[in-house]
Amino acid sequence: KQEVTQIPAALSVPEGENLVLNCSFTDSAIYNLQWFRQDPGKGLTSLLLIQSSQREQTSGRLNASLDKSSGRSTLYIAASQPGDSATYLCAASSSNTGKLIFGQGTTLQVKP
Amino acid sequence: KAGVTQTPRYLIKTRGQQVTLSCSPISGHRSVSWYQQTPGQGLQFLFEYFSETQRNKGNFPGRFSGRQFSNSRSEMNVSTLELGDSALYLCASSFHSPSTNEKLFFGSGTQLSVL
Repeated sequence: KQEVTQIPAALSVPEGENLVLNCSFTDSAIYNLQWFRQDPGKGLTSLLLIQSSQREQTSGRLNASLDKSSGRSTLYIAASQPGDSATYLCAASSSNTGKLIFGQGTTLQVKP
Repeated sequence: KAGVTQTPRYLIKTRGQQVTLSCSPISGHRSVSWYQQTPGQGLQFLFEYFSETQRNKGNFPGRFSGRQFSNSRSEMNVSTLELGDSALYLCASSFHSPSTNEKLFFGSGTQLSVL
């Protein structure tokens, strides 16, 4: 059974700092690994999707990497801004079941 | 182009009642999936519909059901509500089934409170 874990649960950094969010998964039989952002009381916004055959994806100040062999993905945020404050969730799409399994998320606060 | 629309935005029900939530996907999208989000359990997959057929189902009791119409709009129904059903219910749409390498687009959710 796929389990997805995100560490830390919460993170507070000063504006301008580069930071890394971690995601680990137990079953390497994944179709893809996705990172989402969620603002309080809102739905999810897709940030990056890494296919199982890829190692990383980049979008602006965001870079996500995937290491299937170790069951890990990281989301790197460069030059953080207060507007980056949100909860970041990773989700693994199981190639066995087709289901998307989410981690519990990391709540990020970027202080001005 | 309009995003994923979920109605209603907020809902308050009492135990034992039933509720129907609606989701209109992005125009042209044929896949709709539903998720339950609670502080304790996080985001959990409920079910997925593609071209009016249920393609996948999560580990929820039979009180949770859904359907998809020919215009791809989807509804989910929860019967005999329990206090533990209080949650944010999110739907997501995509053109193809979610088991492809395609981003999902989420609605803002329906916040259900069961008293």
